[in-house]
Amino acid sequence: GAVVSQHPSWVICKSGTSVKIECRSLDFQATTMFWYRQFPKQSLMLMATSNEGSKATYEQGVEKDKFLINHASLTLSTLTVTSAHPEDSSFYICSARGPPGGGTDTQYFGPGTRLTVL
Amino acid sequence: DQQVKQNSPSLSVQEGRISILNCDYTNSMFDYFLWYKKYPAEGPTFLISISSIKDKNEDGRFTVFLNKSAKHLSLHIVPSQPGDSAVYFCAASDRRKLVFGQGTRLTINP
Repeated sequence: GAVVSQHPSWVICKSGTSVKIECRSLDFQATTMFWYRQFPKQSLMLMATSNEGSKATYEQGVEKDKFLINHASLTLSTLTVTSAHPEDSSFYICSARGPPGGGTDTQYFGPGTRLTVL
Repeated sequence: DQQVKQNSPSLSVQEGRISILNCDYTNSMFDYFLWYKKYPAEGPTFLISISSIKDKNEDGRFTVFLNKSAKHLSLHIVPSQPGDSAVYFCAASDRRKLVFGQGTRLTINP
């Protein structure tokens, strides 16, 4: 149980284009999902918290107009990197706050998406 | 401002022995702690967690200890197996979000 999927697993795009990454909780409903970014050999940095049916909460320093988050259902959140540039190249990971009984704040992570902007 | 710290970037342990990974935190508002295991180019896998009202939680080969007064937690893996080789992250929750440490790369030697 508590499986989270991400799609695509990797994407290469040209500078200036937009890329959408999907995050799905497969076997439970998640009212709250999270988007992280990880640079090589560094820790996971929270970008934003995605709440179903409401606006996302962005961490300090994260451009909300560049990283658009939509949480339209209890099992799907999307992250769109708009007008991507090479400095946006990174490993993006989503997580979903787990189902009741798994620990109030246990997050279950997707496999991640490697974005490369040329 | 590193609220969660894993001071050992790497650890090497012989197969069959005990692996001890350490984590320190500074924010007294953290009340739930987790350990994740991560392979390169994959998302973290949840291992074990502990609430601040406990000082120990055990699950198979994995045991997490919490010392609130010292703001310190540790993960014990015994016996260590080759498949345990990975990067381990500790994380702390303030009920709004998780804050991760920098990770410790554990290598289990045969």
